[in-house]
Amino acid sequence: GAGVSQSPSNKVTEKGKDVELRCDPISGHTALYWYRQSLGQGLEFLIYFQGNSAPDKSGLPSDRFSAERTGGSVSTLTIQRTQQEDSAVYLCASSLAQRVNAAGELFFGEGSRLTVL
Amino acid sequence: SQQGEEDPQALSIQEGENATMNCSYKTSINNLQWYRQNSGRGLVHLILIRSNEREKHSGRLRVTLDTSKKSSSLLITASRAADTASYFCATDDSGTYKYIFGTGTRLKVLA
Repeated sequence: GAGVSQSPSNKVTEKGKDVELRCDPISGHTALYWYRQSLGQGLEFLIYFQGNSAPDKSGLPSDRFSAERTGGSVSTLTIQRTQQEDSAVYLCASSLAQRVNAAGELFFGEGSRLTVL
Repeated sequence: SQQGEEDPQALSIQEGENATMNCSYKTSINNLQWYRQNSGRGLVHLILIRSNEREKHSGRLRVTLDTSKKSSSLLITASRAADTASYFCATDDSGTYKYIFGTGTRLKVLA
C-alpha cells in the first residue's frame, strides 16, 4: 500500500485476554517502530526493528509485551494478559533508514486504539 | 524515559499570530525532527534539522537548533485555524536509529 497500515483500528478486550496488533510498513522500509500513546500524552517508545539486526526492545514495559517482524516486513505486537493500564493508542511507524547518518523521516500509521475493560 | 521535553504544554493564539514551541533534549543527536498530530492518531512529519544545521525553513515553518543548549524551537508564522494540532519533537539516540519523542505542545488557533 501507499502508507503504513495498522489493524485493527480499534480493539476492545477484557482484562486478562491476549491481543495482537498488526503493522504493515511501507514496502522497502528497513526500520519499523512501535510506540504507545496514552490519552493526551506523548509517545512512549516500545521497540524498533532495523533490517536484520536484533531489535531494540528497551522500551517494552513488561514481559507481557512482545513483538516480531517477519520477513523484514509485517510486524505484530502482542500483549499477553492485558491490564487496564495497557489501554492506549499503539502507533507503528516505518522509515527508509539505510545507515545512521541517513536516518530520516518516520511514516506513521493511524494507530490501533486498545481499550481494556 | 522520554528524551524530549516541550514547552509550553498548551498554547492558544489568534489566527494570524505566530506560534513558537520549544523542545529540549538530553543526549547528543544526529538530527531532530518535528511532527504534527491531529486528533490523537497518526503523526505527520514536518521538518528535519541535522546537528550541523542551525536553522531551517519550510513554508511557514522555521526551525532552529542549538546543540550547545540541547534545544530546538519551531515557529509557525501567520497561523491558521487548520494549524490546530499537537506538535512533537523527536530526536535520534546518537549512534542508533531509535527516535524518542517529546511530550508535545497542544496548539489551538482561534479563528
